[in-house]
Amino acid sequence: SQTIHQWPATLVQPVGSPLSLECTVEGTSNPNLYWYRQAAGRGLQLLFYSIGIDQISSEVPQNLSASRPQDRQFILSSKKLLLSDSGFYLCAFSLQGSYNSPLHFGNGTRLTVT
Amino acid sequence: AQTVTQSQPEMSVQEAETVTLSCTYDTSENNYYLFWYKQPPSRQMILVIRQEAYKQQNATENRFSVNFQKAAKSFSLKISDSQLGDTAMYFCAFMSTQGAQKLVFGQGTRLTINP
Repeated sequence: SQTIHQWPATLVQPVGSPLSLECTVEGTSNPNLYWYRQAAGRGLQLLFYSIGIDQISSEVPQNLSASRPQDRQFILSSKKLLLSDSGFYLCAFSLQGSYNSPLHFGNGTRLTVT
Repeated sequence: AQTVTQSQPEMSVQEAETVTLSCTYDTSENNYYLFWYKQPPSRQMILVIRQEAYKQQNATENRFSVNFQKAAKSFSLKISDSQLGDTAMYFCAFMSTQGAQKLVFGQGTRLTINP
């Protein structure tokens, strides 16, 4: 079965510091990968999605970037954090080519920028 | 672009009661998928139920069922015999079958089951 791991679970960073959140998937090859952000316990906003290595799409302009150095690894980064980057970040995957495949989420990272 | 609307920010019912959460969406497509996710206080996102738009039969998963009205673009979730463990945020989500496999979420409904 497929599993997804996301870390760290909690992070407190000062304004202007860099960020790196990591996500890995096991049990499947070439998954679709996603980064979502959830602000103030409300809806989820899609930040990035990737259908393959070097194929990453950004949904909203922002202070963040994403990379996929390996097939099942997805990284969310920032060079300089802003206060507005605080929130709950969720990584997810789905099976490539199957619209019936739901998204499976990691446990999330609570980021607080101080 | 597709949008998903959940008009009930919060709901509260007594244990063992039945509750219905509303969801409407906007799309010009004929085939798509709809999902309900649950997010308990742990914040883990858990898939509750899914519906394929081309299937007229409403999906059911144990105590959870949906009322899918394609013409009205409505996709409500019914929870029967509610339990304390059903307390969570519930999100309705839409996935197009055109282009990238992306989920568009509603803003969520915070459901509280009272003992």
